[in-house]
Amino acid sequence: DTEVTQTPKHLVMGMTNKKSLKCEQHMGHRAMYWYKQKAKKPPELMFVYSYEKLSINESVPSRFSPECPNSSLLNLHLHALQPEDSALYLCASSQTSTVGQFFGPGTRLTVL
Amino acid sequence: AQKITQTQPGMFVQEKEAVTLDCTYDTSDQSYGLFWYKQPSSGEMIFLIYQGSYDEQNATEGRYSLNFQKARKSANLVISASQLGDSAMYFCAMRGPLMNRDDKIIFGKGTRLHILP
Repeated sequence: DTEVTQTPKHLVMGMTNKKSLKCEQHMGHRAMYWYKQKAKKPPELMFVYSYEKLSINESVPSRFSPECPNSSLLNLHLHALQPEDSALYLCASSQTSTVGQFFGPGTRLTVL
Repeated sequence: AQKITQTQPGMFVQEKEAVTLDCTYDTSDQSYGLFWYKQPSSGEMIFLIYQGSYDEQNATEGRYSLNFQKARKSANLVISASQLGDSAMYFCAMRGPLMNRDDKIIFGKGTRLHILP
């Protein structure tokens, strides 16, 4: 299994909703990432988990809460989001730096 | 600080022609890695090719090759015999020293490639 999966593919939520994005990889990768990508822009790093521990938080607002239940799973819990949080959310994983990060297909999030 | 520059916001190329996508970078690190990713309109980021700063030969992966010129700090992507399916956004990216455990990579702004039939 050489892929990263993400669910759901699309999500529409209101500003008072609580939702979660899920990411899964079965490649035995030690690091997992969350990125946010706005249209026509490069991905922006949000969080990095290394060996299931949060190693990087790029000053992301607390309405985004990451969780790494085990080495294969990565969640992003969403609460009280704003319309400007609408974006493509990409999950990635990597084992070593020399083979790059493998990305999932992303979740397109719309906040109304 | 590290920086990636892609100066071509968009390119139009005839099918079957070779394409060169430009990428220059700036870093004070001696050890670093360079990547190219392809992002079709579907959104998924597809890893294409990697070049380490100490690699003496240019990286190649099928129709993709990376023209690495260390002294000029450039890492251009060359796509040979372009196909309609190559139409996508292409991002150049860089990570810092391998001794760093933070695994951060930074992306350029991207080049939108259009292959014309």
